[in-house]
Amino acid sequence: DAMVIQNPRYQVTQFGKPVTLSCSQTLNHNVMYWYQQKSSQAPKLLFHYYDKDFNNEADTPDNFQSRRPNTSFCFLDIRSPGLGDAAMYLCATSREGLASETQYFGPGTRLLVL
Amino acid sequence: GQNIDQPTEMTATEGAIVQINCTYQTSGFNGLFWYQQHAGEAPTFLSYNVLDGLEEKGRFSSFLSRSKGYSYLLLKELQMKDSASYLCAVYNSNYQLIWGAGTKLIIKP
Repeated sequence: DAMVIQNPRYQVTQFGKPVTLSCSQTLNHNVMYWYQQKSSQAPKLLFHYYDKDFNNEADTPDNFQSRRPNTSFCFLDIRSPGLGDAAMYLCATSREGLASETQYFGPGTRLLVL
Repeated sequence: GQNIDQPTEMTATEGAIVQINCTYQTSGFNGLFWYQQHAGEAPTFLSYNVLDGLEEKGRFSSFLSRSKGYSYLLLKELQMKDSASYLCAVYNSNYQLIWGAGTKLIIKP
């Protein structure tokens, strides 16, 4: 089945220690998104790629970076995680990023910062 | 600013009907989505409305009134597995998807 895969499902890191979260998709979608979601809050868009074009949200901290080496894979790098970065990180895809398109989400990676 | 308002939590009884409301104030409108999110899991698509009126899909229906900036999700014949959060999201005129914080629905036997 075509899907969005995130690894790992749970990630524990230390305060200030760089961490990378992974996302892959077999849907062959052009657009990939990274969201941060804290408990009982709306998902917050960090950035998205349309193909190789990177689009950063204005309020995304510099601490968060992303890479998309090919259509299938996208990575979220947190350079120096703080306690406030503990959250669920959701990867999503859509075919062309059009308003009528559904976003397909991966299962998420729950990040814990000690 | 842009804002989506939903009730934080609702409780309903198994077998009953529940309506979850969503009001939005966004810079333009290009469609409204409802997603279901079980605890600790990713959101999954439920419905999409871009024109006024009711869209029915099995036990779930979604209604939109663009003039009122209002939508609701109607769930019929509630089952225990419907216990989840329901998120409303709106595409604005800049094609940004603005998300609500979700309504946690608790189903009681």
